[in-house]
Amino acid sequence: GNSVTQMEGPVTLSEEAFLTINCTYTATGYPSLFWYVQYPGEGLQLLLKATKADDKGSNKGFEATYRKETTSFHLEKGSVQVSDSAVYFCALSDLDTGGFKTIFGAGTRLFVKA
Amino acid sequence: EPEVTQTPSHQVTQMGQEVILRCVPISNHLYFYWYRQILGQKVEFLVSFYNNEISEKSEIFDDQFSVERPDGSNFTLKIRSTKLEDSAMYFCASSSGTGIQETQYFGPGTRLLVL
Repeated sequence: GNSVTQMEGPVTLSEEAFLTINCTYTATGYPSLFWYVQYPGEGLQLLLKATKADDKGSNKGFEATYRKETTSFHLEKGSVQVSDSAVYFCALSDLDTGGFKTIFGAGTRLFVKA
Repeated sequence: EPEVTQTPSHQVTQMGQEVILRCVPISNHLYFYWYRQILGQKVEFLVSFYNNEISEKSEIFDDQFSVERPDGSNFTLKIRSTKLEDSAMYFCASSSGTGIQETQYFGPGTRLLVL
């Protein structure tokens, strides 16, 4: 079945450091890809998405490019802030079953130190 | 911006009791979903719902679970006889369609604690 694998955390960075969170996927079809963010004590917020190969999703300084050849959707940010501390989930839309559900990775916790 | 809302934000219940988690999806959305996240684990799909019936359910969604759209705005998840292992964050989501361009929008979650 379809699945998402993302790098284990926690990731600890200093403010203004460069962030990469790796994500790879397995899919039999052609899914859309997402990054969701979960701030402490809150729900899931859509951070960015990409729906086809070579699309770049971007939001709040974060970006990720849909790479079909490497089945990857790595999240990057050039300069992180303390307020970016959260759990980041890579996800894909699973349409293969005829329905529509989101398959999530395990999540990567990011700590940003001042 | 329209958003999915959920009530209550927290629920504590005794093992064996019934709980109903409530969700108000985005108003023009037609597809509704429940997910759960056991503490520290990944978010897992439970069930999808369209046109007043279940479209798909996971193996987690056994006979103890049911969903309902009792009126034009609410979407509920009922757990008939809660177990300790039902303790989790439950997320409701909705979408306007199911195509490749679609996105599911998630509510803030209900944290359920079964004692």
